[in-house]
Amino acid sequence: AAGVIQSPRHLIKEKRETATLKCYPIPRHDTVYWYQQGPGQDPQFLISFYEKMQSDKGSIPDRFSAQQFSDYHSELNMSSLELGDSALYFCASSNLAGLQETQYFGPGTRLLVL
Amino acid sequence: AQTVTQSQPEMSVQEAETVTLSCTYDTSESDYYLFWYKQPPSRQMILVIRQEAYKQQNATENRFSVNFQKAAKSFSLKISDSQLGDAAMYFCAYRGTYNQGGKLIFGQGTELSVKP
Repeated sequence: AAGVIQSPRHLIKEKRETATLKCYPIPRHDTVYWYQQGPGQDPQFLISFYEKMQSDKGSIPDRFSAQQFSDYHSELNMSSLELGDSALYFCASSNLAGLQETQYFGPGTRLLVL
Repeated sequence: AQTVTQSQPEMSVQEAETVTLSCTYDTSESDYYLFWYKQPPSRQMILVIRQEAYKQQNATENRFSVNFQKAAKSFSLKISDSQLGDAAMYFCAYRGTYNQGGKLIFGQGTELSVKP
């Protein structure tokens, strides 16, 4: 079965640079969630989209922005990167219109800020 | 605000034996979902089992089962016939309904090791 795809899988950036993370949900899934997992931490919710509209917002820094496109893929844009942004970034998708409450996770993007 | 607590940072089990991981949560909502996710060293988040709060029957998936006590706000995971491949970090997670935001709220995790 098709899974959530995230790209790139690994990313190394310098402080103050920008990064763009991409997420391709499972086909026919209408909802995308972004989570950030720091070293030794549990995943923390950043932001979510349902049918291309922002549906919820968590502890996402103002330096970050995200959107969901017409083909349902989503991008997380991170600017003015800081050392503390080094983390594993997960995208998860679900099919809310189909009353599927389970979120399926992608493999994550490992971001290292030097 | 909803919270999830896993009070066991680490657990160990002998291969082929049974282990139970604990999870408690706090919410004022009556309708919600609970999940256990497994995160092996690859750090992929893998769904283990889910439970709808409106269902009284405990969920079961092969060797994995839960003990859901809604009044006590407890949601433990039992792994039977433990296998070496079960070694991983296990996260308990709460999810409200879409009207509540729909995001997952995770516990701190329990690192499970399996001894051969």
